[in-house]
Amino acid sequence: NAGVTQTPKFRVLKTGQSMTLLCAQDMNHEYMYWYRQDPGMGLRLIHYSVGEGTTAKGEVPDGYNVSRLKKQNFLLGLESAAPSQTSVYFCASKEASGVTDTQYFGPGTRLTVL
Amino acid sequence: GQNIDQPTEMTATEGAIVQINCTYQTSGFNGLFWYQQHAGEAPTFLSYNVLDGLEEKGRFSSFLSRSKGYSYLLLKELQMKDSASYLCAALDSNYQLIWGAGTKLIIKP
Repeated sequence: NAGVTQTPKFRVLKTGQSMTLLCAQDMNHEYMYWYRQDPGMGLRLIHYSVGEGTTAKGEVPDGYNVSRLKKQNFLLGLESAAPSQTSVYFCASKEASGVTDTQYFGPGTRLTVL
Repeated sequence: GQNIDQPTEMTATEGAIVQINCTYQTSGFNGLFWYQQHAGEAPTFLSYNVLDGLEEKGRFSSFLSRSKGYSYLLLKELQMKDSASYLCAALDSNYQLIWGAGTKLIIKP
C-alpha cells in the first residue's frame, strides 16, 4: 500500500497563475483533508470531504477550491495564486468517524508563489 | 475560541528523558493526539488519549487530564533520531482536529 500520495512535490508559481494539487489514498478512507502549514503556526484546515461527491470548508478556505469526484482522490485548486499562498500543503485521510480518528498524511507539496 | 498551547522549542541530551506539555481549550473534546514530524516530512501518528491517565508505548508515553485540559508526551532514553517537531492536536465536538504550532525538540549528544 502506498498510503497517501501527493503530486507534485514542489512547485513555483507566478502571481495570478492557477494550479491543481492531487491527493490520492489507497486505504479506502472516507474522510480526506487539505491542510496548509506555515512557520510558527499549527496545521490549518483548508477544505475537507466526508465522502465521495462531498466537500466542506475548513478554517482558511478563501482562494482555494476542491473536488472529490472519486473516493480515492481529493483535488485542491488555486484559481489565481497569491504570495500569501506560499506554504507547505498536506493532504490527510482517515476512516469514518467512530471507527478511528487517526489521520494519515501525505508527504506534502511545497508551493512558492512569486 | 479554540486554542492549543505548547512550548516552541526544547533541548535535551541523548539518553535522557523529556516531557513536552500541551494545554488545550476546545468546543467539546473527543480526544488528544500527538504526532511526530521530522523536518521536511509529513506528520506521523504517535498516540491518542481520550480517557484520563497514562498510555505507554515503548519509549513514548502520553498523559491526559480532561479536567485540566492538559496533556504531555514523555520521551525516554532519547536518541538522536528523536530530534523532530512534536505536534499536539485536540479533537473537537465536530471531530475536527485543532492543532498546536508544534514543539521543536533538539537532542544534543
